Amino acid sequence: DTAVSQTPKYLVTQMGNDKSIKCEQNLGHDTMYWYKQDSKKFLKIMFSYNNKELIINETVPNRFSPKSPDKAHLNLHINSLELGDSAVYFCASSLRLAGHGTDTQYFGPGTRLTVL
Amino acid sequence: SQELEQSPQSLIVQEGKNLTINCTSSKTLYGLYWYKQKYGEGLIFLMMLQKGGEEKSHEKITAKLDEKKQQSSLHITASQPSHAGIYLCGAAQKSSGDKLTFGTGTRLAVRP
Repeated sequence: DTAVSQTPKYLVTQMGNDKSIKCEQNLGHDTMYWYKQDSKKFLKIMFSYNNKELIINETVPNRFSPKSPDKAHLNLHINSLELGDSAVYFCASSLRLAGHGTDTQYFGPGTRLTVL
Repeated sequence: SQELEQSPQSLIVQEGKNLTINCTSSKTLYGLYWYKQKYGEGLIFLMMLQKGGEEKSHEKITAKLDEKKQQSSLHITASQPSHAGIYLCGAAQKSSGDKLTFGTGTRLAVRP
């Protein structure tokens, strides 16, 4: 059974479009995250939610809006897509807030977004 | 500025050889995670280290965290082609709160 799943796995779209990526975890975790991995494979956090509440928002453009309908889901909606948004987006979850690094984050398989 | 530095950036080894990847932080780490990413795939959790001097092993992979909790090494013994991928260290630091900061990654290729 997949612990952290994301859909779609690949997303190719035109500049200016609006798109959503979905993430679900069946681990019973309270905390979920979105990360962006750029072309140089550098992985950087974007958002984290704890029990549906936004905890971290890392200087991400307003065009990116996360939504957590319940603690098992954290979706990422992106408006007016730009070329620079092309990247791999990873969802992750942990039992609780990472805090002092005691809770392991488990990652989804990633969504490769290509903006043309 | 990048808070976690990994070295080397890339590594090509002959199958059967040992190798070490390093991860260095400018700040004290409160938790250090090692992940492996196969090309084009997601991150697989390998190990987590928390205490200074801690060492963990899984199959042929050993990870250590130094006493000062600012440096970690990942050692692979008798490498195999299945070890190929990108190794990422991720760390929770007091200054970063609840997020993980990742290193730049080390690409490992193993020649049969």
